[in-house]
Amino acid sequence: GDSVTQMEGPVTLSEEAFLTINCTYTATGYPSLFWYVQYPGEGLQLLLKATKADDKGSNKGFEATYRKETTSFHLEKGSVQVSDSAVYFCALSGRRDAGKSTFGDGTTLTVKP
Amino acid sequence: DTAVSQTPKYLVTQMGNDKSIKCEQNLGHDTMYWYKQDSKKFLKIMFSYNNKELIINETVPNRFSPKSPDKAHLNLHINSLELGDSAVYFCASSQGGAEQPQHFGDGTRLSIL
Repeated sequence: GDSVTQMEGPVTLSEEAFLTINCTYTATGYPSLFWYVQYPGEGLQLLLKATKADDKGSNKGFEATYRKETTSFHLEKGSVQVSDSAVYFCALSGRRDAGKSTFGDGTTLTVKP
Repeated sequence: DTAVSQTPKYLVTQMGNDKSIKCEQNLGHDTMYWYKQDSKKFLKIMFSYNNKELIINETVPNRFSPKSPDKAHLNLHINSLELGDSAVYFCASSQGGAEQPQHFGDGTRLSIL
């Protein structure tokens, strides 16, 4: 079945540091890929997405590129802020079972001033 | 103008009781979901409904019963609550299709005493 493997956390960075959170996936065919962010006390919200190979999703300074050859969708940000502290989830949605998304285990990011 | 709203936000109750959580979405989406998030932030899908029809039922004890009176509502009833049911329960909705993201409510924190 489909699966998503995320970099284990927690991750602690200083403000303005470079962020990478690794995400690799296993799926049949060509899934759509997503990054969601969960701030404390809130639900998940979409951060960015990519629906086909080589697409780059971007939002709020975050980027991720759909790499079919390495089955990866790593999240990056050039300069993190304290307000980026949250839990980040990588997810995929397969075209055969489009009603269901498979989520990674989440990576907790803490950014210190 | 909340997109996906759940009530109550907090639920504290005794073992053995029966409780319900309500969810409503005003996005016009066809598909709704229930997820359980444990204390380590792992997210696990429980149920999914498409146009009031159950399409996903993931190995959930039959003490949990979803009900969808119409496509804008998906409620979750839990019988004979157990300590292990303590978690945050999230409702979500999507338009369906692999490329569409899910929209989450803010969660219901269930604590069993």
